[in-house]
Amino acid sequence: AQKVTQAQTEISVVEKEDVTLDCVYETRDTTYYLFWYKQPPSGELVFLIRRNSFDEQNEISGRYSWNFQKSTSSFNFTITASQVVDSAVYFCALRGLWDMRFGAGTRLTVKP
Amino acid sequence: GAGVSQSPSNKVTEKGKDVELRCDPISGHTALYWYRQSLGQGLEFLIYFQGNSAPDKSGLPSDRFSAERTGGSVSTLTIQRTQQEDSAVYLCASSPHLGSGPRDEQFFGPGTRLTVL
Repeated sequence: AQKVTQAQTEISVVEKEDVTLDCVYETRDTTYYLFWYKQPPSGELVFLIRRNSFDEQNEISGRYSWNFQKSTSSFNFTITASQVVDSAVYFCALRGLWDMRFGAGTRLTVKP
Repeated sequence: GAGVSQSPSNKVTEKGKDVELRCDPISGHTALYWYRQSLGQGLEFLIYFQGNSAPDKSGLPSDRFSAERTGGSVSTLTIQRTQQEDSAVYLCASSPHLGSGPRDEQFFGPGTRLTVL
């Protein structure tokens, strides 16, 4: 069975602080994909990143960075110098062949 | 259209009524997925289609839920005899292919907010 755990239900930071959102996953598949999605107050899911199980190289995109570690089954997401517009619910997701499982989400509030 | 569209955007219904939710995937996308997001909760996978076929319906919450897809395009999710616990945002996504290849990203629609009174 596949499972995604986002232990942090809510996080509140002050603008310009760095923040890390945790994601731990469980799967028996050897090939799988991990995702992060952002859901702003408007409700629509916005794709942020996809990593496959064979590529553990960390990725940086502007203020966003992702740390994928198979040894700990984690795929953490860090926002550097957070901004108010980063306020949203962030979902981590895991996909095997077709079944996509989402974590419960972490609500990030960035205060000015 | 450029993205996945869903209609209606909001639906308020009375307990016991049937509702139909519609999803228009991105043109050419063969795979289509339905999810449910209850208030304050994560996303719950309901069903997927490869073409017009839904091989696994075990994710549907009850036999009051059904889904179909015609012409490899539009899909409808039908909830019969709605209950208050059916209140949620129903999200549809589509992807070019069914699978986990690099081009199999799921693109989400804006969702339909269903409220059962």
